[in-house]
Amino acid sequence: GAGVSQSPRYKVAKRGQDVALRCDPISGHVSLFWYQQALGQGPEFLTYFQNEAQLDKSGLPSDRFFAERPEGSVSTLKIQRTQQEDSAVYLCASSGTNYGYTFGSGTRLTVV
Amino acid sequence: AQSVTQLGSHVSVSEGALVLLRCNYSSSVPPYLFWYVQYPNQGLQLLLKYTTGATLVKGINGFEAEFKKSETSFHLTKPSAHMSDAAEYFCAVSRMEYGNKLVFGAGTILRVKS
Repeated sequence: GAGVSQSPRYKVAKRGQDVALRCDPISGHVSLFWYQQALGQGPEFLTYFQNEAQLDKSGLPSDRFFAERPEGSVSTLKIQRTQQEDSAVYLCASSGTNYGYTFGSGTRLTVV
Repeated sequence: AQSVTQLGSHVSVSEGALVLLRCNYSSSVPPYLFWYVQYPNQGLQLLLKYTTGATLVKGINGFEAEFKKSETSFHLTKPSAHMSDAAEYFCAVSRMEYGNKLVFGAGTILRVKS
């Protein structure tokens, strides 16, 4: 596609519910990143994929957070048993060889 | 470890005035530096980046930034503010130009007064 596509754009979850956020990167982009942006803060790194390999997951805040990219293209960020502190905008970015980062518009997650 | 400090969470300027948004970084390796702009409910858009070479970097929409290694700074400037520049601006540092995570500052909200 022409850009990085994220869905849904908005998600309201009840506390304790599981959610899945999708990122469709630019075709051919090898690298894919997930960031969490809390209200009034800068984005913070969550995890990084190179193709289907998850090379860095040091930013995932707890074992309730899980990300996958099974075929090296679309990625899903899953949050289990959501808590209020998980409320944030989740940004996905992709980059390819010799290209910088392109960010998606994000998914705004609100946990009530 | 890398980190970014953006001085001033809010900056207000008059239309036509100079814009100066400050960014200082910390990095144990030669840094790659970026400025992004974020409009409400949108993703991040790259304004400019410093990789290697010329320390004065020109970006889109009339913005530029100067890499000063001795001051560990990468301040963003624009000679004349426009109403459309009102947005949130993020400075970021990375170990590579691409394929490596970005470490962001907390952001600066720019307000432009008419």
